[in-house]
Amino acid sequence: EAGVTQFPSHSVIEKGQTVTLRCDPISGHDNLYWYRRVMGKEIKFLLHFVKESKQDESGMPNNRFLAERTGGTYSTLKVQPAELEDSGVYFCASSHSNTEAFFGQGTRLTVV
Amino acid sequence: GQSLEQPSEVTAVEGAIVQINCTYQTSGFYGLSWYQQHDGGAPTFLSYNALDGLEETGRFSSFLSRSDSYGYLLLQELQMKDSASYFCAVRDGRRALTFGSGTRLQVQP
Repeated sequence: EAGVTQFPSHSVIEKGQTVTLRCDPISGHDNLYWYRRVMGKEIKFLLHFVKESKQDESGMPNNRFLAERTGGTYSTLKVQPAELEDSGVYFCASSHSNTEAFFGQGTRLTVV
Repeated sequence: GQSLEQPSEVTAVEGAIVQINCTYQTSGFYGLSWYQQHDGGAPTFLSYNALDGLEETGRFSSFLSRSDSYGYLLLQELQMKDSASYFCAVRDGRRALTFGSGTRLQVQP
């Protein structure tokens, strides 16, 4: 069974540019989550999809962040325009049940 | 809102036992989970407690006391490969995981 895959693994962009992160969850997992870890701090919740619907986007920092989940399959997280404080590791996770979430390897975003 | 507290760092020697504590405050509670993350890697699931008591999985055990809003992860027979960050996480009314800041465990020879 393929795990959660994220692309790209690394991205370095200039302030003001746009970056789109992609997440392919485990097939059949209705729940998809985006998290961010900044500078070795806590893993902070961004948003939660159930199938194609946004269940909770209370963690999205501002309107520069836009997440979509087309057809309830893969998800994208777009940052436009990127700011320096957006640097960090963005993790995607998916789950079928409420007990265990499976994480991808993350996308390390560096805004310079 | 939700908040979790756990120690930032713990150091122990190979073969020893270490306990990582976690206290939480949350508006709703559906369970306490533990995740392990090696540097540069993905957080991986270790254990989940929905009810009070001890859950054992090999060298790792996890405990929950809902009345005290407290849990811990117990690692026995420590190995060098156990050096990693350990996160407690609560599943609250939103059904999403809220993570603590993580405990960095260093296992020394």
